[in-house]
Amino acid sequence: RKEVEQDPGPFNVPEGATVAFNCTYSNSASQSFFWYRQDCRKEPKLLMSVYSSGNEDGRFTAQLNRASQYISLLIRDSKLSDSATYLCVSTTDSWGKLQFGAGTQVVVTP
Amino acid sequence: DAGVIQSPRHEVTEMGQEVTLRCKPISGHNSLFWYRQTMMRGLELLIYFNNNVPIDDSGMPEDRFSAKMPNASFSTLKIQPSEPRDSAVYFCASSLARGRGARRGREQYFGPGTRLTVT
Repeated sequence: RKEVEQDPGPFNVPEGATVAFNCTYSNSASQSFFWYRQDCRKEPKLLMSVYSSGNEDGRFTAQLNRASQYISLLIRDSKLSDSATYLCVSTTDSWGKLQFGAGTQVVVTP
Repeated sequence: DAGVIQSPRHEVTEMGQEVTLRCKPISGHNSLFWYRQTMMRGLELLIYFNNNVPIDDSGMPEDRFSAKMPNASFSTLKIQPSEPRDSAVYFCASSLARGRGARRGREQYFGPGTRLTVT
């Protein structure tokens, strides 16, 4: 079983709509969490860190549920440019080793 | 600010040849990571360094793969001999690890990748 599990999607979202998806992590000792986005044939790029109290960055909201060991990402007012694969990431390692999920594909349609 | 720099961006080689991939991390970062990504296996961590010292190479697939970090601003990943199943995108990433217990500074920043094709 992978340490970080994600629904691969795709999530097909009309432009302007809201989409939300989760990922689960198996290691209860995980300390830090991130969402990365990866466009086709490009490198993963940090989207946002996920804090225990939840946090927002513009149209993006991330939540952490330690009791159930999942994190979520919500995208409001979806734009065509939000089409990408979103990678869920956790870490327990002091030196920065990250555990990546396989990614959730989001497709925003006009 | 310059990000992580990788070269070459594309490499096409024949089976059996030696391949060397290069990475320059972000200045000031003390951890460097080599990943491989394929459609079938997703993103896999191969090896990572902290302060130029290899910390975990358990992801290196076999002895054909080796990595070095002779100084804080340069790392290489070498495949010798290369095989068609090594075809993938190889990413280098760097971060500023603040050590045990630290919560900040673990974000990794990726280079653009090297797309390797072994025929």
